[in-house]
Amino acid sequence: SAVISQKPSRDICQRGTSLTIQCQVDSQVTMMFWYRQQPGQSLTLIATANQGSEATYESGFVIDKFPISRPNLTFSTLTVSNMSPEDSSIYLCSAKGTRFPLNYGYTFGSGTRLTVV
Amino acid sequence: DQQVKQNSPSLSVQEGRISILNCDYTNSMFDYFLWYKKYPAEGPTFLISISSIKDKNEDGRFTVFLNKSAKHLSLHIVPSQPGDSAVYFCAASEGAGNKLTFGGGTRVLVKP
Repeated sequence: SAVISQKPSRDICQRGTSLTIQCQVDSQVTMMFWYRQQPGQSLTLIATANQGSEATYESGFVIDKFPISRPNLTFSTLTVSNMSPEDSSIYLCSAKGTRFPLNYGYTFGSGTRLTVV
Repeated sequence: DQQVKQNSPSLSVQEGRISILNCDYTNSMFDYFLWYKKYPAEGPTFLISISSIKDKNEDGRFTVFLNKSAKHLSLHIVPSQPGDSAVYFCAASEGAGNKLTFGGGTRVLVKP
């Protein structure tokens, strides 16, 4: 069974709408992150999801566009708001914990492939 | 400003031979380095890591070498297998457990 489950795996959305992506880890983790991989590009960190407080965003990413929640130590959501075609990417959740296998490197979910039309 | 660079976008190697993937970094605060493999439609899979206190780490067919003075690391895959065909990313962080900065990736094709 997957250590990190990400939903949905893919979606096609209309511009101007919003999509919320869920990330569920099967054990408590210390760190959770959200990444974006644009077509043909590398992975870029959007933000660190902090449990019980506001996420820490990287340069170029803002909370109004990418609101993130992390209500507990196993779950986080990323919302892509007011979407445009430029938001078409793969969005990936990542986690690091203290127990194997989550303590062995950083584990990634399978990603959400988003297409905005 | 790309802090982690993989200058070879692609690599083709014969099955059974060695694959060598290279990665350079500019941030001297990076002290933890990782390699990931990524298949299409899947998330990256962790392969191997190394901390800056070491210059080599080995795990089965995978060996990572770190040259701190040159700010360079490499991944050796020996012997290469067709199932190794994927995109490989190197990544770095300031301390294990902190956010990762990824390189651009190298697409490896292992020919039977």
